[in-house]
Amino acid sequence: GAVVSQHPSWVICKSGTSVKIECRSLDFQATTMFWYRQFPKQSLMLMATSNEGSKATYEQGVEKDKFLINHASLTLSTLTVTSAHPEDSSFYICSARGGWRTGELFFGEGSRLTVL
Amino acid sequence: DAKTTQPPSMDCAEGRAANLPCNHSTISGNEYVYWYRQIHSQGPQYIIHGLKNNETNEMASLIITEDRKSSTLILPHATLRDTAVYYCIVLDPFSGNTPLVFGKGTRLSVIA
Repeated sequence: GAVVSQHPSWVICKSGTSVKIECRSLDFQATTMFWYRQFPKQSLMLMATSNEGSKATYEQGVEKDKFLINHASLTLSTLTVTSAHPEDSSFYICSARGGWRTGELFFGEGSRLTVL
Repeated sequence: DAKTTQPPSMDCAEGRAANLPCNHSTISGNEYVYWYRQIHSQGPQYIIHGLKNNETNEMASLIITEDRKSSTLILPHATLRDTAVYYCIVLDPFSGNTPLVFGKGTRLSVIA
């Protein structure tokens, strides 16, 4: 079946550095990918919609200059957390629609970011 | 905001059927009912979806009421590995770039 893969699955970085998370659709093309953030014991919160070849659409309250999204190909979207701070520590999850199941959204395994 | 309401938690004995309810009284005609689950520290996993007919797959059954205002996800023989947060979401998958909006879900604990 269709698979969405994220990398890295976990990352620890120092405050002030930038971290890039990749999201790949492995056996289908995804013109749209979604990025979510999840804090402990909370539900997934939509951060942005990533569209191939165009600018991402950010949800209210999400800083587009801090969370840079690039969707340069039909199988890859990246989320870069710039100048990360401890409050950015979270579980970041991407998803993509497509593949053989009509309407199904596939999710990546998630990337856990810890900022020291 | 999520368009569904679910009980925050449920317990189920191992080997018994787990019945997870969901209310979606404002569902529109084009919206499907989707169920996902999230096991701790993993991405959400697709379970099943349906429009108005009952659906069954290798994981679960989905029962949708005739007025489509509520549904029930049934795990026929729950195992310890089914312990997870279960999310019921309504979505029109053909309405362009519509993401899944997650509510708080139901935390299912399967007990040995």
